[in-house]
Formats: sequence, C-alpha cells, structure tokens
Amino acid sequence: AQSVTQLDSQVPVFEEAPVELRCNYSSSVSVYLFWYVQYPNQGLQLLLKYLSGSTLVESINGFEAEFNKSQTSFHLRKPSVHISDTAEYFCAVKNTDKLIFGTGTRLQVFP
Amino acid sequence: GAGVSQSPSNKVTEKGKDVELRCDPISGHTALYWYRQRLGQGLEFLIYFQGNSAPDKSGLPSDRFSAERTGESVSTLTIQRTQQEDSAVYLCASSLYTDRYNEQFFGPGTRLTVL
Repeated sequence: AQSVTQLDSQVPVFEEAPVELRCNYSSSVSVYLFWYVQYPNQGLQLLLKYLSGSTLVESINGFEAEFNKSQTSFHLRKPSVHISDTAEYFCAVKNTDKLIFGTGTRLQVFP
Repeated sequence: GAGVSQSPSNKVTEKGKDVELRCDPISGHTALYWYRQRLGQGLEFLIYFQGNSAPDKSGLPSDRFSAERTGESVSTLTIQRTQQEDSAVYLCASSLYTDRYNEQFFGPGTRLTVL
C-alpha cells in the first residue's frame, strides 16, 4: 500500500524567510502527488499537484514543489513566506480512487 | 457556485449514542469521499461513492460505521453506539470523476466530540 511521510509536524519561520516542507512517499508504478493547505477554521484546499510531465509544479501564491522519483520526494518550497501562509499543509498521494494523506505540517510564520 | 457543505459543523454526543453526519457535494460531482481527521494525525480515508454505490469501504473502522448516498447527491455517514475514540473531524469531499485528473473539493468538516 502507498504511504506518505511528513517528518516535520511543525515548522516555525520568520516572515520573508524561505521555507521547505518535506514529503516522502512510498514507491509505486504510477504516482500522482498533491499538496493541500488548511487555513485556520477552513476546509482543505488544493495547493498544487503533480500528475505527469514537468517535475516542477507551481501554485498561484508562490509555492512550488518538485517531484523527485529517485528520492521518492515531493517537497514544498517557497522562497519568501508571508504571515498569511500560516496554515497546516498536507501532502497526499492518489491510490486508485482515494487520497492517502501525510500527518500534516503546521507552518507558523512570525513577523 | 456553492462548494461542498457539511452539517452539523459541530456535534457533541454522549458515548453510546448514534450520530448522523451529512454531506452535500458540489452539484454534478459523481464521486464523493469521507475522511476522518483525528487530532495530531493525518486524514484517514473511510469510504467513497461513485454515484450511489460504494466500491471501496475499506477504510470504515468498524461495523458501527456506515454510509449511504442517494440521488447521486447527499451522503450520510452514520456512527452507531459512539465511542470516545470516534471523536474527530469528519471531512467530506467530492470530485467530478474519480480519475487522477479530477481534484477533490473538501467541505469544512463536522467536528464530533464524544463525551
């Protein structure tokens, strides 16, 4: 069965600093990977996804993630974070028809 | 248009009582999913529907849990004889189809507390 590991449960960072949220997945033949974000008191929203093609995918608010097959990773990065990026971030892999989620990383951005 | 809605937003119940959680998916979405989010843990898949049938019930934790969907629309997740370990946020999601290209849209969740 596929699985997802997010090693960092919390990542504190100052505003305008770069950040990387780590995600590793168990190997499989076909891999479809996702990052979801959950802002305080809101539902999950899709941030970005990798289905095929270019290994670097970007979101509209400056986040990017790179699919690395050899390292089985899909780390999320942003070169300069904002206070409004404070949220919980979940990495997920699609397994047949359902999503398998990691345990989440809470990103806390300080002024 | 309207997103996925869930009701109630919060539910507090006593151990041993039955509860029903409701999900209204986005209109026209054929696939509907239920997940559970326990405190400090990731989201746990429970069940999904394609139309009104449930091809995968593998995530239901026990026979106290059941779900149904009618009219390829509303779904109800029922937990019988609730236990304290059932306390969690229950999330519903829907997508146009189940294939890999279709994004799952999540509702705000129902926070269930079993006393």
